[in-house]
Amino acid sequence: DIQMTQSPSSLSASVGDRVTITCRASQTINRNLNWYHQRPGKAPKLLIFAASILQSGVPSRFSGSGSGTDFTLTISCLQPEDFATYYCQQSYNNPWTFGQGTKVEIK
Amino acid sequence: ELQLVESGGGLVQPGESLRLSCAGSGFTLSRHWMSWVRQTPGKGLEWVANTNQDESQKYYVDSVKGRFTISRDNARNSLYLQMNSLKAEDTAVYYCAKHGSYSFDHWGQGTLVTVSS
Repeated sequence: DIQMTQSPSSLSASVGDRVTITCRASQTINRNLNWYHQRPGKAPKLLIFAASILQSGVPSRFSGSGSGTDFTLTISCLQPEDFATYYCQQSYNNPWTFGQGTKVEIK
Repeated sequence: ELQLVESGGGLVQPGESLRLSCAGSGFTLSRHWMSWVRQTPGKGLEWVANTNQDESQKYYVDSVKGRFTISRDNARNSLYLQMNSLKAEDTAVYYCAKHGSYSFDHWGQGTLVTVSS
């Protein structure tokens, strides 16, 4: 199975900050990488698919980049509703696997 | 508006069975691959099973093979997960998820399954 490793596991930031989360795959996954966020008590929500394509309705302050094994999610100007846990997920090979999550907390 | 609503979770003892249901609305479930994904505090998010549009393809994570069965009733716009021989490690919130663009593009709200004596 492909292992997905996110860093950091958690971070503290302020409204308006630029935030970057990284995700590394244990083998190449081309651009088959998706990003989700999850607010407490809610289901995960797709933000970005295919490494860099913004899901419909997702604000443009979210962006994704990378290919192969290394990927990045950037939030350009953190908003109050962005405090959540973020997950990467590969869809290159079965079983589809997730990173362990990055919790973005209020500083 | 596209919605997925899970039901059927609850508290069961080890070795017992449970059937989860997921009702779709606002879209035609028969046109899409569908999955079950579970979440625990310890292991995070884990894909469990998926099926294609006509059930000719079904895949499972190794830990549930032979115990769980995914199925669908396209006429009812519904997805199911039959879970047999449940173990404590199956305790989780179970989500149904619609596939789109090689991702899970819509999720239900989840249903909690607790396996404990």
